[in-house]
Amino acid sequence: GAGVSQSPSNKVTEKGKDVELRCDPISGHTALYWYRQSLGQGLEFLIYFQGNSAPDKSGLPSDRFSAERTGGSVSTLTIQRTQQEDSAVYLCASSLGTSGYEQYFGPGTRLTVT
Amino acid sequence: GDSVTQMEGPVTLSEEAFLTINCTYTATGYPSLFWYVQYPGEGLQLLLKATKADDKGSNKGFEATYRKETTSFHLEKGSVQVSDSAVYFCALRWGSSNTGKLIFGQGTTLQVKP
Repeated sequence: GAGVSQSPSNKVTEKGKDVELRCDPISGHTALYWYRQSLGQGLEFLIYFQGNSAPDKSGLPSDRFSAERTGGSVSTLTIQRTQQEDSAVYLCASSLGTSGYEQYFGPGTRLTVT
Repeated sequence: GDSVTQMEGPVTLSEEAFLTINCTYTATGYPSLFWYVQYPGEGLQLLLKATKADDKGSNKGFEATYRKETTSFHLEKGSVQVSDSAVYFCALRWGSSNTGKLIFGQGTTLQVKP
């Protein structure tokens, strides 16, 4: 079956612009995660969704970052007023549940802020 | 807080050499431990896992043993191949977490030369 998909695969934007990154999880997966992979910070957790609610947003680095999930499926990560330090690969993962279930990762969106 | 530390890379080996990538962790409770691999141009995928002390995870010739006394989960392979060239991430998931989020190490790049 289809895996986790993310779009766009690459995004170049100017500093100060807003960007939206999309994640399509595996069908039926109720848990969805966003992570960020950057040179200076490694691979870090951003936010977790269970269904459409986000009980853990502890990894969002600033209030410029927000995310939503609709229909228990697609999720969008929005970064407002992008900064150069936002340049990174943004990874989405989904799983059937939380603890005890494997997370399946998408290919990521490479964001470059110029 | 919880954290994972793994050896810095890149690690460069000749084909058929023995591989060890060190990983140690700091965590409260009883975390599950994972190794993820990211092949060039591909998404992150689970390589192996262990959920309790003294468990050994294994897959594709790779092994790692959950050592609670040394808080370690070192990755080993007896004979590496060129196709093993990738970035390897050690990760933990807090055992009693209700979010299932993963905490990753910095990643270790492995280059295997023929």
